[in-house]
Amino acid sequence: AQSVTQLGSHVSVSEGALVLLRCNYSSSVPPYLFWYVQYPNQGLQLLLKYTSAATLVKGINGFEAEFKKSETSFHLTKPSAHMSDAAEYFCAVSEGNAGNMLTFGGGTRLMVKP
Amino acid sequence: DTAVSQTPKYLVTQMGNDKSIKCEQNLGHDTMYWYKQDSKKFLKIMFSYNNKELIINETVPNRFSPKSPDKAHLNLHINSLELGDSAVYFCASGASGSWNEQFFGPGTRLTVL
Repeated sequence: AQSVTQLGSHVSVSEGALVLLRCNYSSSVPPYLFWYVQYPNQGLQLLLKYTSAATLVKGINGFEAEFKKSETSFHLTKPSAHMSDAAEYFCAVSEGNAGNMLTFGGGTRLMVKP
Repeated sequence: DTAVSQTPKYLVTQMGNDKSIKCEQNLGHDTMYWYKQDSKKFLKIMFSYNNKELIINETVPNRFSPKSPDKAHLNLHINSLELGDSAVYFCASGASGSWNEQFFGPGTRLTVL
């Protein structure tokens, strides 16, 4: 069975500071990993995905994530936070099972201080 | 053009009522999903349909019944609504293949009084 743990339900950074959102997964097979962002009262939007190609994945809005098999991690980073980055971020894993089911982490709320 | 749309956006109803949420996608995808997001923002898969056939049916009360009239639509009907059904329900669609991302609708906020 697959699972995802996001360390820190709330992360607060200053504008211009590094953003680091942590995600660890558990999977019995090589996983496919995703980061989604949810702005208030909106649906989820894909930031980036890992599909067994390059381990460093670049996404939209300046975000990137690195897949580390030895650490079973897929942490999300951005060098410089912007006020508009304030949102809820979800890490998700798919094992390639029938139906391509996504299992989500509990989410991390990113707050950006001016 | 909205890729994945849901109606209604908000739904307020009394306990015991029956309600439906509709979902449509214009992306040409062959797989559609329903997810439930609870008050703590936790997201969980409920159902998955591929080419109008049920693929995934997680542990969901049988008061919830999905129906897919065609590949572009996946509706969710809920009977005998309970307080615990209050949540945001998201429809999503995707192409076959685990590496393909899912595209989410804007959500339907259901409040059961």
